[in-house]
Amino acid sequence: DAMVIQNPRYQVTQFGKPVTLSCSQTLNHNVMYWYQQKSSQAPKLLFHYYDKDFNNEADTPDNFQSRRPNTSFCFLDIRSPGLGDAAMYLCATSRDFTGTEQYFGPGTRLTVT
Amino acid sequence: DQQVKQNSPSLSVQEGRISILNCDYTNSMFDYFLWYKKYPAEGPTFLISISSIKDKNEDGRFTVFLNKSAKHLSLHIVPSQPGDSAVYFCAASGAGNNRKLIWGLGTSLAVNP
Repeated sequence: DAMVIQNPRYQVTQFGKPVTLSCSQTLNHNVMYWYQQKSSQAPKLLFHYYDKDFNNEADTPDNFQSRRPNTSFCFLDIRSPGLGDAAMYLCATSRDFTGTEQYFGPGTRLTVT
Repeated sequence: DQQVKQNSPSLSVQEGRISILNCDYTNSMFDYFLWYKKYPAEGPTFLISISSIKDKNEDGRFTVFLNKSAKHLSLHIVPSQPGDSAVYFCAASGAGNNRKLIWGLGTSLAVNP
């Protein structure tokens, strides 16, 4: 089955220690997104890639970076995690911007100690 | 400024009855609306969508109604099943290249056997 895969499902990191979350897709979609979701809140878009074009949301902290080495993979790098960065991180894909259904992975739950 | 509002944080219905989840929006430029379903510890799953050129879209037990003049949409689930218990998010996107999804805060639906 075509899908969006996120690894790991649970990640524990120490305050200030860089961490990388990964996402892969078998849908061959052009667009990949990273969202942050905290409890009882809506998903918050951090940034997205349209092919290799990176689009950062204006309010995404510089602490968050992303890489998309190829169509299938996208990474979220948190350079110096703070306690406030503990959240669920969701990766999503969509075919393009004309069809806006986004397909989500299961998420990575990040804990910062 | 919440452009997409789900004013009921939670809803409880009996199995077999109708569930009605409501969503209001403020931006008249939104032209595409989506409902997502989210189980705990999983990513959101696309459920159903509607374009602003329609006022109703139906898929099995799920029907979405759009009232553009009132800037209101609703999701009807008939009949409700215990497996429908989840958080439901309403999302909207704008025209042209601005396809970023704007999310509501979600409504937690509990379907009681």
